[in-house]
Amino acid sequence: EAGVAQSPRYKIIEKRQSVAFWCNPISGHATLYWYQQILGQGPKLLIQFQNNGVVDDSQLPKDRFSAERLKGVDSTLKIQPAKLEDSAVYLCASSLGRGGGNEQFFGPGTRLTVL
Amino acid sequence: LAKTTQPISMDSYEGQEVNITCSHNNIATNDYITWYQQFPSQGPRFIIQGYKTKVTNEVASLFIPADRKSSTLSLPRVSLSDTAVYYCLVEELYNFNKFYFGSGTKLNVKP
Repeated sequence: EAGVAQSPRYKIIEKRQSVAFWCNPISGHATLYWYQQILGQGPKLLIQFQNNGVVDDSQLPKDRFSAERLKGVDSTLKIQPAKLEDSAVYLCASSLGRGGGNEQFFGPGTRLTVL
Repeated sequence: LAKTTQPISMDSYEGQEVNITCSHNNIATNDYITWYQQFPSQGPRFIIQGYKTKVTNEVASLFIPADRKSSTLSLPRVSLSDTAVYYCLVEELYNFNKFYFGSGTKLNVKP
């Protein structure tokens, strides 16, 4: 079974530029998550989708971050414009359903460096 | 939302049993306890999940006392490859689940 795919693996941009990350979840997984993980910290949930609907984006900085999951499969996370403090690893995860009892499967992440 | 408290780091030696305890004093009736493992440059990986008493799988055991205000992840006979960060999460069972990854416990296994 293929795992969660993410691209690119690494990205270096300058502040105020835009960047987009792509995630392809495990086939059949209804729930998709985007996390931000700053070095030395645990993952911070940015947004959670159930199929193509948003169920939680309370920690997403909406003035600069946006995400979509068209057709309930692939998802993209965009940052526009980027700030220095956005340097982090962006993780995508998916699960069959949501709530306790549903194991999350994580992708390898995209390491973003903002100069 | 029940937040969790774990030790920042632990040291162990190969072959020893390691127990990592997590405190979650505000856990609700319908919350599950889940543990994830994360190696450098990788996403977290599910280890084990439980609701009460004891759960065991091929890699770990999870002990949850009756009051469920804490839980202990037990790793039998650790090896160098178990060096990683271990996260304890409390997740709601139904509907829109809130959960929180703390800073985790950095386990360092020495030869």
